[in-house]
Amino acid sequence: QVQLLQSGAEVKKPGASVKVSCKASGYTFTSYAMHWVRQAPGQRLEWMGWIKTGDGKTKYSQKLQDRVTITRDTSANTAYMELRSLRSEDTAVYYCARDTPLWENWFDPWGQGTLVTVSS
Amino acid sequence: DIQMTQSPSSLSASVGDRVTITCRASQSISSYLNWYQQKPGKAPKLLIYAASSLHSGVPSRFSGSGSGTDFTLTISSLQPEDFATYYCQQSHSTPYTFGQGTKLEIK
Repeated sequence: QVQLLQSGAEVKKPGASVKVSCKASGYTFTSYAMHWVRQAPGQRLEWMGWIKTGDGKTKYSQKLQDRVTITRDTSANTAYMELRSLRSEDTAVYYCARDTPLWENWFDPWGQGTLVTVSS
Repeated sequence: DIQMTQSPSSLSASVGDRVTITCRASQSISSYLNWYQQKPGKAPKLLIYAASSLHSGVPSRFSGSGSGTDFTLTISSLQPEDFATYYCQQSHSTPYTFGQGTKLEIK
C-alpha cells in the first residue's frame, strides 16, 4: 500500500538547520508531486512548499522561501525538506503529503509527521 | 493569500446527530476546496476533495457541498470514531491555506 515514512524527531538550537526525510513506497515516486505542511502547537496547518518529483521543480511559500529547500532523490524514492536559521516559532510537526497524479493539490496520504523542537 | 475561516471552532454533539461545519474563503475559489479529519497525535486524512467528491474508503455519512466562497461539510449520523478536528483547505492558488479547524467533541 501507499506509504510515506518520515525521519525521527529532532531537537535543534536557534540558528541551526534541520533536514527531514520522507521515504515513499507502494507507488511510482516520480509520478506524484510531494508537499510539505507543518503544524505548530495549537495552530492551523501551514503549507510550506512542494516539489515535482519527476523534474525536481519546486515552489515555496513566500513566507518561508528564503529559509526552506525541498529536494528529492529519485533513486531512493525520498523527498527532503531543509529549514535553515531555525527560530522558536519553527517548533512544529512537519508532514510530507502526496499530491494527485494531475497536480490537483489535495493531499493523500500524509506521512506520520516529524516533530522538530527549536530550543536553546 | 486566501484566508479560510471555519465555523464553529468547536462543537459538542452526540452519537447519531447530524452535524454541519462551514468554511468560508476570502475570495472565490470555485470548487477548489478539500476537507480533512485529524485525530490527536495523528496526521490528517483526506475526506472530501473538489468540494463534494468523497475520497475512496470514506464512509458515505460524510458529504461536502458549496462553491465560490461558502462550503459545508456534513456528517449525517455521528459515529464514535468521528470525534476529531476537521480542517478545510483551498487548492485554488498558492500558498494552499487551511482553516483554523473545528474540534468536534462528544456531548
